[in-house]
This record gives sequence, structure tokens and C-alpha cells, in this order.
Amino acid sequence: DAGVTQSPTHLIKTRGQQVTLRCSPKSGHDTVSWYQQALGQGPQFIFQYYEEEERQRGNFPDRFSGHQFPNYSSELNVNALLLGDSALYLCASNEDRKDNYGYTFGSGTRLTVV
Amino acid sequence: LAKTTQPISMDSYEGQEVNITCSHNNIATNDYITWYQQFPSQGPRFIIQGYKTKVTNEVASLFIPADRKSSTLSLPRVSLSDTAVYYCLVDPGNTPLVFGKGTRLSVIA
Repeated sequence: DAGVTQSPTHLIKTRGQQVTLRCSPKSGHDTVSWYQQALGQGPQFIFQYYEEEERQRGNFPDRFSGHQFPNYSSELNVNALLLGDSALYLCASNEDRKDNYGYTFGSGTRLTVV
Repeated sequence: LAKTTQPISMDSYEGQEVNITCSHNNIATNDYITWYQQFPSQGPRFIIQGYKTKVTNEVASLFIPADRKSSTLSLPRVSLSDTAVYYCLVDPGNTPLVFGKGTRLSVIA
């Protein structure tokens, strides 16, 4: 049973560009959450998608947007990249928050903005 | 903001038992206590969850006193592969996970 799959694993972008990160949730999971993890920090919640809609959002600017598809997969888009957007972006899936330990994380996408 | 406080780092020798204590003075009645483990360049991985008293699984034990204002994650006989960051979280299970900085455990041979 495949866990959470994220692509690409690594990405280098130039300041001002736009980037799209992708996530396929664990089989049976219908909710996807995105986190940003800067070096030496804990993951910070960006937003959560359920039934193709953004259900909750953390303290991130509108440059961060997302989408969830009918097959529950999700994309994270970041526009007008800043150097400070360099981080590990993590996707987590679960089954509509039935249990805390239902969260399964992917290995992340390492984004470097130069 | 994270609702927990835990040591920034800990060192241990292989084979020893490691106890990481987490403070959560403002824990709510319906909050659960959950611990995650994270290796470099990987996503966090669920270790254990509890509400009160003691919970044990094949990886760790979680001790929660009656007032639930703190909890202790116990890792028996650690090995080098247990070197990781350990996060303590409290939430009711219907909100996104809020991570603090975690505890960086270094296991020394």
C-alpha cells in the first residue's frame, strides 16, 4: 500500500518565478494538508483540502494557493517566489481527521529559491 | 502557536533508555497527546498517541500523569537509528497539526 507520494523531490527556482508541487495521498485518505518546514524549524501548516475545497488555512499569504482533484490528489502553487520560500514542503493525508494518528506524511519536496 | 514545550536537544548513548518530557499546561479536556518522529529530509512519522495514564506500543511508551499537564515519551534501549527530531503535539483531533521545534535527539555510539 503506497503511502503519500510527492513530486518532485527537489526543485530549484529563481526569485519571482512560480512553482507547482504535487501530492498523491495514501490510499483511502480523502484529506490533504500542506506544510512548510524551514531548516531547523517544525513544519508550519499552510492549508488543508477536503472535497476539493480549502477547508482551513494557516498564516500564509495569498501567493500560496492549492487545489484538490476528484481523485484526492493535490497541488500546491506558490507565485512570485521569494528567497524565504526556500524550504521543505510536506504533504500529509488522512481520512477526514478521524484520528490524530491518521496523518501520513510524504518525504517532501525540497524547494530552493535562488 | 504550538501549545507544548519540550527540550531543544538531548544526547544519549546507545542502549540507554531515553525519556523526553513535554509540557502542555493549557491542554484542553478533549485534547489528545501525540508524538511524531522526523528523520532528516523526511516527513514526520507517527509514534504514539495517548489521552491519559500509560500507552505502550512496539516503538515507545507514553506516560501521562493524572493532571495531563505534561507527558513523557520513553524510548527503550535507543540505537543510532533513533537519532531524529521528536515532536509532541496536543489537539482534539479535528484541527490541523501544530508543530513546535521539537527535541533533537542524538544517539552516540
